[in-house]
Amino acid sequence: EPEVTQTPSHQVTQMGQEVILRCVPISNHLYFYWYRQILGQKVEFLVSFYNNEISEKSEIFDDQFSVERPDGSNFTLKIRSTKLEDSAMYFCASLKGHMNTEAFFGQGTRLTVV
Amino acid sequence: AQTVTQSQPEMSVQEAETVTLSCTYDTSESDYYLFWYKQPPSRQMILVIRQEAYKQQNATENRFSVNFQKAAKSFSLKISDSQLGDAAMYFCAYSPAGGTSYGKLTFGQGTILTVHP
Repeated sequence: EPEVTQTPSHQVTQMGQEVILRCVPISNHLYFYWYRQILGQKVEFLVSFYNNEISEKSEIFDDQFSVERPDGSNFTLKIRSTKLEDSAMYFCASLKGHMNTEAFFGQGTRLTVV
Repeated sequence: AQTVTQSQPEMSVQEAETVTLSCTYDTSESDYYLFWYKQPPSRQMILVIRQEAYKQQNATENRFSVNFQKAAKSFSLKISDSQLGDAAMYFCAYSPAGGTSYGKLTFGQGTILTVHP
């Protein structure tokens, strides 16, 4: 069964460093998303991406964040200068579209900023 | 903006019994989708059940069923014959049916379900 794959599963980084979280969505899906979940809290929307551009972004998704789909396969989330409060679980999701509304989630990347 | 509220931070149930998790939402849209996701300790997000707002019939998936009350903006999840493997955090979520927010999920705060043997 096709699945969304995220790497790495866990990343520890120093405050101020740049991190790139990687996702490989399901190959025939058209819509891509990043969500984050701070430990013990609800899952929050960060950004959606369709047709090679951002469709929508939340207020969390400030200038420190960017997304790319560089090669038609990978979908990356970059945090330019990490802060302690960026520590969270980051989930990538993809959705086929065309009335198929089931979002498939990756297993998540746990980001720890120290 | 759409909001999703789960008023039960924690629920517990005896194995083989039935439990209902509550969810309310707010939207001005007439067409949308509602979901229940399960998040076990592994933190993987697993879709449990989905409901299209235009369908009056409540969705069911084996032991899982929903009570969708569109006018009341209520979407509860019933788990029948609870099993130990049902223990997890459950999230209710809303998604618009179209527009630039298509597919974007707005989640509730979650309900931790404990299943006692």
